[in-house]
Amino acid sequence: GDSVTQMEGPVTLSEEAFLTINCTYTATGYPSLFWYVQYPGEGLQLLLKATKADDKGSNKGFEATYRKETTSFHLEKGSVQVSDSAVYFCALSTKLQFGAGTQVVVTP
Amino acid sequence: NAGVTQTPKFQVLKTGQSMTLQCAQDMNHEYMSWYRQDPGMGLRLIHYSVGAGITDQGEVPNGYNVSRSTTEDFPLRLLSAAPSQTSVYFCASSYYPPGQGSSYEQYFGPGTRLTVT
Repeated sequence: GDSVTQMEGPVTLSEEAFLTINCTYTATGYPSLFWYVQYPGEGLQLLLKATKADDKGSNKGFEATYRKETTSFHLEKGSVQVSDSAVYFCALSTKLQFGAGTQVVVTP
Repeated sequence: NAGVTQTPKFQVLKTGQSMTLQCAQDMNHEYMSWYRQDPGMGLRLIHYSVGAGITDQGEVPNGYNVSRSTTEDFPLRLLSAAPSQTSVYFCASSYYPPGQGSSYEQYFGPGTRLTVT
């Protein structure tokens, strides 16, 4: 069945460092792809999404490109801030479930 | 819009007690769901509903009950609380159910932190 594989955390990095969180997927059709973010003590919220191949989603300095040839949707940010410390979830539109997410810790 | 609201924010129960976690949305979303989040386990789907009067089980439904009498409300009932149900519970809604042609994201409530002693 459809699934996503996301790198495990925690990912610890310094402020202004470059962040990449890998996400690959397996799907039989053409799902939409999402990145959600969960800040401490809060629920998940949509960070960005892409609905078809080669689409790039972007928000708050984060970007991810829907790569059908590599079945990937990696999340990137060029210069992270302490406020980006959160858990990040990659998700498929065809799945009701979420994985464990990747915890990101940004230190000053 | 208030979005997805959940009450209470915190709750402590004794083993064997019952309670209802409330969830409401004001976005006229057809799809609603309940998740529990435990350390290292991600979010696990408990129950979901694709419209008023229609509910179905997720991957961890045992010990929980749901009903959907209106589009807006989707309460989660714990029938006889157990320590294994200590968790953070999230309610979510979406315009359409997740599926092949759907590009609609889910909107999450702020969560209910439940402790069962």
